[in-house]
Amino acid sequence: EVQLVESGGGLVKPGGSLRLSCAASGFTFSNAWMNWVRQAPGKGLEWVGRIKSKVDGGTTHYAAPVKGRFTISRDDSQNTVYLQMNSLKTEDTAVYYCATGGYFHDFWGQGTLVTVS
Amino acid sequence: DIQMTQSPSSLSASVGDRVTITCRARQSISNYLNWYQQKPGKAPKLLIHAASSLQSGAPSRFSGSGSGTDFTLTISSLQPEDFATYYCQQNYSIPFIFGPGTNVDVK
Repeated sequence: EVQLVESGGGLVKPGGSLRLSCAASGFTFSNAWMNWVRQAPGKGLEWVGRIKSKVDGGTTHYAAPVKGRFTISRDDSQNTVYLQMNSLKTEDTAVYYCATGGYFHDFWGQGTLVTVS
Repeated sequence: DIQMTQSPSSLSASVGDRVTITCRARQSISNYLNWYQQKPGKAPKLLIHAASSLQSGAPSRFSGSGSGTDFTLTISSLQPEDFATYYCQQNYSIPFIFGPGTNVDVK
């Protein structure tokens, strides 16, 4: 069974940093392209970024609102993908989900709440 | 960036109704279109990818159609568990923007 478990969310002040983790199991993580998607309270879904598998180059891509502030990385030995968030703004307040898939997101974690205030 | 719109933004329906939700891309995205269902407090669930391919495990009452700029998600006979918010997403080019969502609630 595929499982994705996010952690690391919490309350942080504007300008601060936070690192989210997403621990994966139930599939060959090293072959997977992984994404982060967020959802502000009461709002819709926003794609944050993606990291390809190392065999496909390990390339990262980001949405404009987070580019230069957020970094996605992966540790295939730990089956974990990370989202390092720096220079946080109040508008980054959201539930952050990790999700599998290069072009569609077939498995999702339960999400972790980040509050910037 | 390829912006997405959805209509309606919300609709009220009854169990057994046929429900249609429309998604429009600002430019042609071929069939690079996904549909997700999200219930309150839960993660989204993939229903349809490549505009019309039913995701494994998704009920067959869900279907998708369209190509280019105009797409449709149809629920052939609404079931109680289908009351939720539905999002389209283009995966033609990064960033993979989602539509604003359509909330389906009880009439």
